Amino acid sequence: AAGVIQSPRHLIKEKRETATLKCYPIPRHDTVYWYQQGPGQDPQFLISFYEKMQSDKGSIPDRFSAQQFSDYHSELNMSSLELGDSALYFCASSGPGLAGVSYNEQFFGPGTRLTVL
Amino acid sequence: GESVGLHLPTLSVQEGDNSIINCAYSNSASDYFIWYKQESGKGPQFIIDIRSNMDKRQGQRVTVLLNKTVKHLSLQIAATQPGDSAVYFCAEVQGAQKLVFGQGTRLTINP
Repeated sequence: AAGVIQSPRHLIKEKRETATLKCYPIPRHDTVYWYQQGPGQDPQFLISFYEKMQSDKGSIPDRFSAQQFSDYHSELNMSSLELGDSALYFCASSGPGLAGVSYNEQFFGPGTRLTVL
Repeated sequence: GESVGLHLPTLSVQEGDNSIINCAYSNSASDYFIWYKQESGKGPQFIIDIRSNMDKRQGQRVTVLLNKTVKHLSLQIAATQPGDSAVYFCAEVQGAQKLVFGQGTRLTINP
C-alpha cells in the first residue's frame, strides 16, 4: 500500500542557510501535518493543512513556513537555520475529509533528518 | 500548557513476559487517546486508540486502559516479542486533529 513519502531523507545544512522539506501524502488524503522530533524527544506538532488551507498551528518558529499545493503535497520551508533546528521532521497525512465526530487516523512518513552544522 | 507525559523513560522485559507502559495526562477534557510505536529510524505507527467514554480496549496482543479519575493511560503488551522493541508514545488528539505526544518509553526485550 502507498505510504507517505518525504524527501529528502537526510539533509545537512550550515547555520543561517535555508532548507525545504517535501511531503507527498497517501493518495486521496487531503490533510497533512508536520511534526518536529528533537533527539530523544517526543514529536512536537508544527502545523497542519486541510484542502490547501492552514487548519491548525503549533510551535512553529516564525522562521518556518509551510504550504499545501493543489496536488496535496506539502512543503516546509525553513530559513535562518539554527543548530537547534537539527531534528527529525515527520509529515503525516489523513483523510479524506476534515474529521468531525470521528478521528481520521494520521499515517506518518519515514521522516527527514535535518542536521544543522 | 496542558500536556501528556509518561512516567518511565525505559522499560526492560524478558521475552514472553507481559509489558505495561504507563502514561499520565493533565487535560481532563481530553476525549481521545492513541498509542504509537516508533521503531528506530521510522515514523510513529498507530497501535491502538481509546475514547474517553471507554475504560478498556483490546487489540491483537495489546490492551489500552484508561482511568479518567486519575488521568492515567496504560498500554499492555502480552507475550512480548523481540519485534516489540521500540519507543512507545501516548498521544492526545487536540484541536483540528493535531496530536500532542507524551514523553516516550523505550521498551527493550531481553532474550
